[in-house]
Amino acid sequence: DAGVIQSPRHEVTEMGQEVTLRCKPISGHNSLFWYRQTMMRGLELLIYFNNNVPIDDSGMPEDRFSAKMPNASFSTLKIQPSEPRDSAVYFCASSLMGNEAFFGQGTRLTVV
Amino acid sequence: GESVGLHLPTLSVQEGDNSIINCAYSNSASDYFIWYKQESGKGPQFIIDIRSNMDKRQGQRVTVLLNKTVKHLSLQIAATQPGDSAVYFCAENESGYSTLTFGKGTMLLVSP
Repeated sequence: DAGVIQSPRHEVTEMGQEVTLRCKPISGHNSLFWYRQTMMRGLELLIYFNNNVPIDDSGMPEDRFSAKMPNASFSTLKIQPSEPRDSAVYFCASSLMGNEAFFGQGTRLTVV
Repeated sequence: GESVGLHLPTLSVQEGDNSIINCAYSNSASDYFIWYKQESGKGPQFIIDIRSNMDKRQGQRVTVLLNKTVKHLSLQIAATQPGDSAVYFCAENESGYSTLTFGKGTMLLVSP
């Protein structure tokens, strides 16, 4: 398996634009997580899905953020409209039945 | 204005030394623990895990120790190498919950 695949690896966008981050989890994993990492806050859980269903989105900072998982092999995290303070590295991770989570390489988002 | 980031604890060692990285956790109900390594520009990578029915587990050059009485976890790296330089995170999980709670991380710097 190629592991968790995220795209794009880098994204630079202007304030106010919509940003969509994509994730393909490891095949067979039933949990998917979106994390955000910044120097200020470290690694924060934004939302997680279990069997494609959002279970806990309490970490989503505000309504500008939304996440979907239309099927077991794909998830998106959308920010609309984006703001400079959203600049961070966004990680997707997947796991099986509460075991260790495997992380993707991340998407480095810069909002100017 | 001046930006204030996380002040990660830093452990500096010489190549060949043994390293010990410590982590305190807060949830007494946590029963599964993981150590992750994050190199610059990459996602966290699984190193080793331990469940609460054990107090020690060994891998290749790494050992994890768990002290449930004081809620303390440590990662020992034997014969540390420059390639071990990274940020190390501990993570905890409670049975029945899919999410991992991450610590703030410790930066390990290995000098040749």
